[in-house]
Amino acid sequence: AQSVTQPDIHITVSEGASLELRCNYSYGATPYLFWYVQSPGQGLQLLLKYFSGDTLVQGIKGFEAEFKRSQSSFNLRKPSVHWSDAAEYFCAVATYSGGGADGLTFGKGTHLIIQP
Amino acid sequence: ETGVTQSPTHLIKTRGQQVTLRCSSQSGHNTVSWYQQALGQGPQFIFQYYREEENGRGNFPPRFSGLQFPNYSSELNVNALELDDSALYLCASSLPQDEKLFFGSGTQLSVL
Repeated sequence: AQSVTQPDIHITVSEGASLELRCNYSYGATPYLFWYVQSPGQGLQLLLKYFSGDTLVQGIKGFEAEFKRSQSSFNLRKPSVHWSDAAEYFCAVATYSGGGADGLTFGKGTHLIIQP
Repeated sequence: ETGVTQSPTHLIKTRGQQVTLRCSSQSGHNTVSWYQQALGQGPQFIFQYYREEENGRGNFPPRFSGLQFPNYSSELNVNALELDDSALYLCASSLPQDEKLFFGSGTQLSVL
């Protein structure tokens, strides 16, 4: 069965600084990988996804992520964070593009705090 | 285009009771999934419905059941509530085999 590890429970970044959130996955075949963001009282919003092809994927809100098969990683990055980026970030893996009959497997999340 | 709406937003039940949570899918989406998100955890897949049939299930006991209606709205039913069922329950809709899930804001269930 697939699994996702997000090593950092909390990360604090100054506004305007760069950001990298770590994600490691365990899955035997080529995974479908996702990053979602959850603001307080809100549902999850898809930031970006990787299925195949170019290992650097661009998402919404200026986020990007890089798939590294050799490291089983899919880290999320942003060059310059804004106070509005403060939220909970979840990495997820799936065996099918939409989750399918197995659904998405999520990590435990990383809570991002932005310092002024 | 309407988003995914869930009701109620908050609910308090006592152990042993039954609860029904409701979800209206994004317009045109005929696939709905339910997730349980315990405090401090990521969402966990409960099950998925497509064309009114359950077509996938996570590691949840049979007391978690669901329905999908012809208008693609959905219900999650939980019988014999336990304290550990306290969580945020999220509904997500999508088109079949579409990678983009649209999540509702969830129903916060507290079991006392």
